[in-house]
Amino acid sequence: EPEVTQTPSHQVTQMGQEVILRCVPISNHLYFYWYRQILGQKVEFLVSFYNNEISEKSEIFDDQFSVERPDGSNFTLKIRSTKLEDSAMYFCASRPVQTDEKLFFGSGTQLSVL
Amino acid sequence: RKEVEQDPGPFNVPEGATVAFNCTYSNSASQSFFWYRQDCRKEPKLLMSVYSSGNEDGRFTAQLNRASQYISLLIRDSKLSDSATYLCVAYNFNKFYFGSGTKLNVKP
Repeated sequence: EPEVTQTPSHQVTQMGQEVILRCVPISNHLYFYWYRQILGQKVEFLVSFYNNEISEKSEIFDDQFSVERPDGSNFTLKIRSTKLEDSAMYFCASRPVQTDEKLFFGSGTQLSVL
Repeated sequence: RKEVEQDPGPFNVPEGATVAFNCTYSNSASQSFFWYRQDCRKEPKLLMSVYSSGNEDGRFTAQLNRASQYISLLIRDSKLSDSATYLCVAYNFNKFYFGSGTKLNVKP
């Protein structure tokens, strides 16, 4: 069964460092998302991406965040200068077409900022 | 006001019990609804979509009440493996709104 893959599974970084979280969505999917979940809290929307551009972003997704689809398969989330409060599980998700609203998640990257 | 609200629980039930969760949503324009299951430190996984006519998948039944803006999930004959957090999700114009989840513990 096709799945969304994310790397790395764990990332430890120092405050102020840049991190790039990587995702490979399911191959025929067209809509891509990043979510985060702080331990013990709800899943929070960060950004959605379609047709090589951001379609929507939340208040959390400030200038420190950016997304890219550098080739036909990868979808990355970059945090330029990490803060302690960026520590969370980051989930990538994808879905196939506009009329199919089923969202498929990757297994997540646990980011720890020290 | 939160887009989607759920009772956080936990619901502690014995094996074999029937348990029901409710969830309310604030945006009457929400188009679709889902229940996801999330195990500790794992990704959410789609359990089922929710339709106004109600839908059933084995031991799981989901129902949508648009007039009252709530969604329900009924689990019959609970198994130990049903222990997880159940997330209620509303979809509206390319955005998915997640509830905080309801924790279920099924005990032997």
